[in-house]
Amino acid sequence: GAGVSQTPSNKVTEKGKYVELRCDPISGHTALYWYRQSLGQGPEFLIYFQGTGAADDSGLPNDRFFAVRPEGSVSTLKIQRTERGDSAVYLCASSLTGTSGRGNEQFFGPGTRLTVL
Amino acid sequence: QKEVEQNSGPLSVPEGAIASLNCTYSDRGSQSFFWYRQYSGKSPELIMFIYSNGDKEDGRFTAQLNKASQYVSLLIRDSQPSDSATYLCAVLMDTGRRALTFGSGTRLQVQP
Repeated sequence: GAGVSQTPSNKVTEKGKYVELRCDPISGHTALYWYRQSLGQGPEFLIYFQGTGAADDSGLPNDRFFAVRPEGSVSTLKIQRTERGDSAVYLCASSLTGTSGRGNEQFFGPGTRLTVL
Repeated sequence: QKEVEQNSGPLSVPEGAIASLNCTYSDRGSQSFFWYRQYSGKSPELIMFIYSNGDKEDGRFTAQLNKASQYVSLLIRDSQPSDSATYLCAVLMDTGRRALTFGSGTRLQVQP
């Protein structure tokens, strides 16, 4: 497909369980971002990849959250020991480059709605 | 003070009118500014970006940037009911980070 894709679209889990959320960026985009969005708020940054490496993980709320992008394309966001406060929509975005100016426009996927019971 | 501020609305305009959405930001060194449209239950869709002071027009949309006042706006001409959505302002701040900082969004209602 032409856009960013994310799976699953919905995930319901129980408190304490482990979840993985997947993102497939736009083909050719080198930069990939994870955000999460709570109701009535704008997206909040979690982590940014340039290629395979996490260039900025300062938005990860704690060490239960981890993300990888082993081949520089698909990324997986992993959440251990989920808590009810982790419930949100997790959004992935990609951009052509990670530099400022033209090419850094970020395009979002449809999101994964995570519900922790 | 929030880093990116928007009036939450709702902003209600009649069909065919001009809708004016405003955003202020705190980081004077910010360089890149984006407007996203978000329909209820959907993800943000990029509709405009602007990097230089002044106006940028694309169809019915005009983005206006005033760096001295730390103010960016979005004008929607000939508003349609299909424009009813939440509009998110996002800023790439001058911190070296590539993460966007978003406002909470303004909800626009276009009345038929």
